[in-house]
Amino acid sequence: NAGVTQTPKFRILKIGQSMTLQCTQDMNHNYMYWYRQDPGMGLKLIYYSVGAGITDKGEVPNGYNVSRSTTEDFPLRLELAAPSQTSVYFCASSYSGSFDRQETQYFGPGTRLLVL
Amino acid sequence: GESVGLHLPTLSVQEGDNSIINCAYSNSASDYFIWYKQESGKGPQFIIDIRSNMDKRQGQRVTVLLNKTVKHLSLQIAATQPGDSAVYFCAENLNDYKLSFGAGTTVTVRA
Repeated sequence: NAGVTQTPKFRILKIGQSMTLQCTQDMNHNYMYWYRQDPGMGLKLIYYSVGAGITDKGEVPNGYNVSRSTTEDFPLRLELAAPSQTSVYFCASSYSGSFDRQETQYFGPGTRLLVL
Repeated sequence: GESVGLHLPTLSVQEGDNSIINCAYSNSASDYFIWYKQESGKGPQFIIDIRSNMDKRQGQRVTVLLNKTVKHLSLQIAATQPGDSAVYFCAENLNDYKLSFGAGTTVTVRA
């Protein structure tokens, strides 16, 4: 299994441009998540999905959109890039989303985004 | 402010010594905690977890301690190795599938 894969690894955007960060997992996980990580900070949850066709906002959703048309893919869309969105973006997935079975989230390698 | 935090942003450890990384949390209702390791340029990697009905859990060279009275979590790494150099995050389960992460502690292992 490749686990969680993300593309691109690095991108520079101009203010106002749009782009889609891709995330794919091959572990048949139901739950998927998008986080952003600012320098010296922990991860902040942007959006999450509990299954295909279902998405919900996390802690910092403004300026982003997501979709979940398949179990495997969970793209993150930036419509009007702003300097405040300069960050490292991580996608993660987990099997059920419940910690009753002590299942954890598996993270992708991240996408580094710079907005100038 | 953040509900999960770490006491120290950096920790320098001599190779072979034991490391102790601390984390304070504020949500007394949290029932599940995880430690992640993040190496430079990579995503967080699961190390060990613990449920709130436990005080201690051991893995390979790592031990997590949970003190619910003072809402404190710690990660102990035995015989620290150069490969242990990374940023370590604690995270708490707020609502089944949502995790809240602390800011992280950067561990540097001296040869």
